[in-house]
Amino acid sequence: ETGVTQSPTHLIKTRGQQVTLRCSSQSGHNTVSWYQQALGQGPQFIFQYYREEENGRGNFPPRFSGLQFPNYSSELNVNALELDDSALYLCASGRDGTDTQYFGPGTRLTVL
Amino acid sequence: AQSVTQPDIHITVSEGASLELRCNYSYGATPYLFWYVQSPGQGLQLLLKYFSGDTLVQGIKGFEAEFKRSQSSFNLRKPSVHWSDAAEYFCAVGRGYGQNFVFGPGTRLSVLP
Repeated sequence: ETGVTQSPTHLIKTRGQQVTLRCSSQSGHNTVSWYQQALGQGPQFIFQYYREEENGRGNFPPRFSGLQFPNYSSELNVNALELDDSALYLCASGRDGTDTQYFGPGTRLTVL
Repeated sequence: AQSVTQPDIHITVSEGASLELRCNYSYGATPYLFWYVQSPGQGLQLLLKYFSGDTLVQGIKGFEAEFKRSQSSFNLRKPSVHWSDAAEYFCAVGRGYGQNFVFGPGTRLSVLP
């Protein structure tokens, strides 16, 4: 099960700007999670959406927000970008109750 | 709070040699355990998972892992490494939803010809 896609592949922004990253989940998957992976580190959980509602959140400020749509696509929005937001952002989807997440290829965000 | 440690930051093995990557976890309940692999510039691919039952689980690409509750460990093994196995390996613990899914820092595997 590797049908999770993300766009764009790479993105360059400047500090203070806003960014929207997109994810398309695999058909039939009703949960979507977002992770931030800084260089040389493991992924850090940002939040998860289930049936279009936020279902859990990691230690990230409110300027990180998201949406999940009825077709199970999802967006991650980050406002007021900071240099430390530079990272690979991973989307993962899964089916409720299966406890397994399938990851997309990620979006590499660079904040200058 | 749950946590995952991977004591080895970087491991180098020769092609054809055996491999063991270590993972130790801290989790307040019965753990759900995963190993993922990440090739350069790629997302994460699920290698195997343990939820319950047989403590030795088989995964893709010839990998296996053994859950040892007494040692809070879930080590990944492969009897004969291929050059294509060079990648970053992540151990993770928790449920698949909510804030309870935690990754370790990763172990980078290099394979010598």
